[in-house]
Amino acid sequence: DVKVTQSSRYLVKRTGEKVFLECVQDMDHENMFWYRQDPGLGLRLIYFSYDVKMKEKGDIPEGYSVSREKKERFSLILESASTNQTSMYLCASSPRVLTYEQYFGPGTRLTVT
Amino acid sequence: QKEVEQDPGPLSVPEGAIVSLNCTYSNSAFQYFMWYRQYSRKGPELLMYTYSSGNKEDGRFTAQVDKSSKYISLFIRDSQPSDSATYLCAIGNTDKLIFGTGTRLQVFP
Repeated sequence: DVKVTQSSRYLVKRTGEKVFLECVQDMDHENMFWYRQDPGLGLRLIYFSYDVKMKEKGDIPEGYSVSREKKERFSLILESASTNQTSMYLCASSPRVLTYEQYFGPGTRLTVT
Repeated sequence: QKEVEQDPGPLSVPEGAIVSLNCTYSNSAFQYFMWYRQYSRKGPELLMYTYSSGNKEDGRFTAQVDKSSKYISLFIRDSQPSDSATYLCAIGNTDKLIFGTGTRLQVFP
């Protein structure tokens, strides 16, 4: 079974703090993704990576950056957290040529106060 | 117009009912059609996917794709309380996947 884990289930941060969300997958997948999920808006792609040290912007990259130093690990960074970044953050991975076959982690519920 | 439209529900049905969940999409270039199930406070779980028009069956679940109408459906037969979840459709191709907003389903005993 594919397993995608995320470092925290719940996180509370203050406005202006730097926030790191970590994601690890154990299936040797080339592709990894970060989404945020908000009521009525569905899943929106923030960034994705198709290889180590490679990254591509998704639909809503503003205010976020990512890091992929190892194949199994993909980090999402909020440089200066703001209240409008309060959301559920979901990490996913997929095989290189099967981008549509994505496997998700349990999510991190981030609250910025 | 959104690229993928999905009725948010909620949909409430009695145990044993047949459930129909639907999505429409606008881009005829999309080739892959997925259904994810998301339980409360969990990540989405890939349920079924198909890449052609027609039906695909897996146990109590049937995915149906009509490319001419740009319409996909997920049918759940003999629904169970354990099927209570949010169901997300996702439509895309080899380098892009777009998710619907999800339909919340409640199956009551």
